[in-house]
Amino acid sequence: EIVLTQSPGTLSLSPGERATLSCRASQSVTRSYLAWYQQKPGQAPRLLIYGASSRATGVPDRFSGSGSGTDFTLTISRLEPEDFAVYFCQQYGDSLYTFGQGTKLEIK
Amino acid sequence: QLQLQESGPGLVKPSETLSLTCTVSGGSINSSSHYWGWIRQPPGKGLEWIGSIFYSGSTYYNPSLKSRVTISVDTSKNQFSLKLISVTATDTAVYYCARRVGWDLRRFDSWGQGTLVTVSS
Repeated sequence: EIVLTQSPGTLSLSPGERATLSCRASQSVTRSYLAWYQQKPGQAPRLLIYGASSRATGVPDRFSGSGSGTDFTLTISRLEPEDFAVYFCQQYGDSLYTFGQGTKLEIK
Repeated sequence: QLQLQESGPGLVKPSETLSLTCTVSGGSINSSSHYWGWIRQPPGKGLEWIGSIFYSGSTYYNPSLKSRVTISVDTSKNQFSLKLISVTATDTAVYYCARRVGWDLRRFDSWGQGTLVTVSS
């Protein structure tokens, strides 16, 4: 099973700043099978990025994904108030989907 | 617009069976492009994929839950269902149903709102 480790656990930033979230895999992940989700309290996760770098429908272009192999990054170029949430990465491999434990992005 | 809605008991006794149904509206479950899945989230914790099903009935499960899980589909009702046997308190979670799209770019693009299932006597 591929384990995804996200860092940091909590990221404290101010609106307007740039956020960089990391997702590291215990073994190489097929790039096309790496996705990122945003979850706000009491809501279901929302797909942001798939295929490591493709934005889902309706996702603002301030969100971008990059990486390959075992290291992937979600970047939010300029934080808006509605971006403060928990972010999860997810991968598919060996007929199994696994998620990272999440990064909480909080207002500083 | 596609919508998914979970339904089922919010309270299940230990050792009993958890049963949930996901009703799909605004689209057909009878699609060769999609799988349909269940994902859960214990309170305050991360996400765990339980398993997925194709409209034909083909399934695959998380190995950690495989011995206790059955996912089935009813295309006539546009629904798919989850059964988890022999539950314990560790199965307490919000259970989500979701649509998986893409064969080369797999992702869960539509989710239900989730339903909290508590395992307690």
